[in-house]
Amino acid sequence: QQQVKQSPQSLIVQKGGISIINCAYENTAFDYFPWYQQFPGKGPALLIAIRPDVSEKKEGRFTISFNKSAKQFSLHIMDSQPGDSATYFCAASRQGAQKLVFGQGTRLTINP
Amino acid sequence: EPEVTQTPSHQVTQMGQEVILRCVPISNHLYFYWYRQILGQKVEFLVSFYNNEISEKSEIFDDQFSVERPDGSNFTLKIRSTKLEDSAMYFCASRMRGSTDTQYFGPGTRLTVL
Repeated sequence: QQQVKQSPQSLIVQKGGISIINCAYENTAFDYFPWYQQFPGKGPALLIAIRPDVSEKKEGRFTISFNKSAKQFSLHIMDSQPGDSATYFCAASRQGAQKLVFGQGTRLTINP
Repeated sequence: EPEVTQTPSHQVTQMGQEVILRCVPISNHLYFYWYRQILGQKVEFLVSFYNNEISEKSEIFDDQFSVERPDGSNFTLKIRSTKLEDSAMYFCASRMRGSTDTQYFGPGTRLTVL
């Protein structure tokens, strides 16, 4: 019940296209859902995050869509660029708990 | 911009040896974490630390692991007797006190146990 399931494992998108990564969770106590971006040899860096009181959050080319009833959330990268090539992790946590529960990660490659 | 720093960037050790991984969290943060990432796998929570004590730990964080905040700036993870399966990237993270839940991660220490 603590798991966050992420798909796809890898994704190849053409430059200018839309990248979509999906996550699903089971624990309804989760109330914070961040996405982290990780480049090789670096630590995860917060990209964007959402709380379940909103269904969508947009920051520049990055959008989180959140479906509370389906217990799913997704990351959309518009106008994908080669510099977006990285591994993306969704995560979840619940208020009062300390830990982030991460998904398995998606290796995104943007072809020029 | 303030950042979490970690040393060393790469540590190679023999099985059974003790290692200490060091982290300097962001200065006004009060919650501290260690995570690990085995090559090609997801990031896994190890332990959280607040007010000089462990607030939560995972089943991975057994008796061979310990954490300490020896002074006002450093946060350390000690592995007493390393095993081959401890080989991983270890990330330190910190969070500001308050309602924000953003955890900021350091660049990691790659631990290789031979």
